[in-house]
Amino acid sequence: GAGVSQSPSNKVTEKGKDVELRCDPISGHTALYWYRQSLGQGLEFLIYFQGNSAPDKSGLPSDRFSAERTGGSVSTLTIQRTQQEDSAVYLCASSLNPGGQGDTQYFGPGTRLTVL
Amino acid sequence: AQTVTQSQPEMSVQEAETVTLSCTYDTSESDYYLFWYKQPPSRQMILVIRQEAYKQQNATENRFSVNFQKAAKSFSLKISDSQLGDAAMYFCAYPNDYKLSFGAGTTVTVRA
Repeated sequence: GAGVSQSPSNKVTEKGKDVELRCDPISGHTALYWYRQSLGQGLEFLIYFQGNSAPDKSGLPSDRFSAERTGGSVSTLTIQRTQQEDSAVYLCASSLNPGGQGDTQYFGPGTRLTVL
Repeated sequence: AQTVTQSQPEMSVQEAETVTLSCTYDTSESDYYLFWYKQPPSRQMILVIRQEAYKQQNATENRFSVNFQKAAKSFSLKISDSQLGDAAMYFCAYPNDYKLSFGAGTTVTVRA
């Protein structure tokens, strides 16, 4: 079946603007994750969804970042009032059996965000 | 907190030769999993191999195999018969419950 998809592939925005990044997980996967990949910080966990609930938002770097998931499927990561340090690749992943250490996470191609 | 260390920022290998990527991790758990992911220039992270800590046998997937040393907390990846398509960044990952902790990555270049 289809893998995890993300849109847009690339996004260039001006400092202070809001952006929305979308993730469409693999059908049937109840768990969804957002990670951020930047040169200085490597790969960082942002948030985890179980169904439509987000039991762990501990990785969100500031209150400018929020995420939601609807219908147990598509998720949107929103960054308000973007700053240059938000420039990074935002990766989404999904998995079948949440909470299990052995549960394999399948990643999307990411969205490269550039804040000018 | 669990940490994952990849000490080799870059590795180069001749086509058809073998290269080994190192990874060490820190955990107090006795039962866990470890993963290697590949990230080509397309950016998509692709699972290469998965190891269950309670299994004595090292995991193998075609040309990819691991050397898992539980006592030493070492989890190296061996790529045999390297191909041009193996050129990518490779990440070692340890799951802390559902959160993956990644190493800094190793960039592998394959010389023709």
